[in-house]
Amino acid sequence: GAVVSQHPSRVICKSGTSVKIECRSLDFQATTMFWYRQFPKQSLMLMATSNEGSKATYEQGVEKDKFLINHASLTLSTLTVTSAHPEDSSFYICSARPGGVNQPQHFGDGTRLSIL
Amino acid sequence: GENVEQHPSTLSVQEGDSAVIKCTYSDSASNYFPWYKQELGKGPQLIIDIRSNVGEKKDQRIAVTLNKTAKHFSLHITETQPEDSAVYFCAASIWGSGNTPLVFGKGTRLSVIA
Repeated sequence: GAVVSQHPSRVICKSGTSVKIECRSLDFQATTMFWYRQFPKQSLMLMATSNEGSKATYEQGVEKDKFLINHASLTLSTLTVTSAHPEDSSFYICSARPGGVNQPQHFGDGTRLSIL
Repeated sequence: GENVEQHPSTLSVQEGDSAVIKCTYSDSASNYFPWYKQELGKGPQLIIDIRSNVGEKKDQRIAVTLNKTAKHFSLHITETQPEDSAVYFCAASIWGSGNTPLVFGKGTRLSVIA
């Protein structure tokens, strides 16, 4: 149980393109989803927290107009990197937490984004 | 806010030996400490977690200990196998009313040499 699916697994695109990444909880309802960014050989850095039906909460230094997050249902959150540039190239990972008290976070397998 | 320090950054052990990874946290309000294993090109997978109301938890070859007073927690892997090779992350957060997001350590790259 507690499977989180992330799609696509890899994206290569030209500078200036907008890229959408989907995160789905397959066998549970996720009231809260999280988006992380991970550079090579580094830790996971939280970008934003999204709660179903409300606006995402962004961490300091993360541009909300650059990284658009939508959490339209209890099983789907999307991250759109708008007008992507080479410095946006990274490994983006989502995680989801089931509803209820004290539920652990489950992670997707990440999306490797490469901007040429 | 919470700050999690993790050591060592790299660890090599012979197959069959034990591996220990240590973390410290700064926020005394943190009460939930999970450990994740991340293989190359994959997302982190939860392997074990501990809450602040217990001092130790064990699951087969994996154990975690917690010292609330010193704000230390450690991961112990016994009888290591080559498939244990991965990057391990500790994390801390607050569970209860107003759950906080996980704050991760910088990771430990474990290599188990056959």
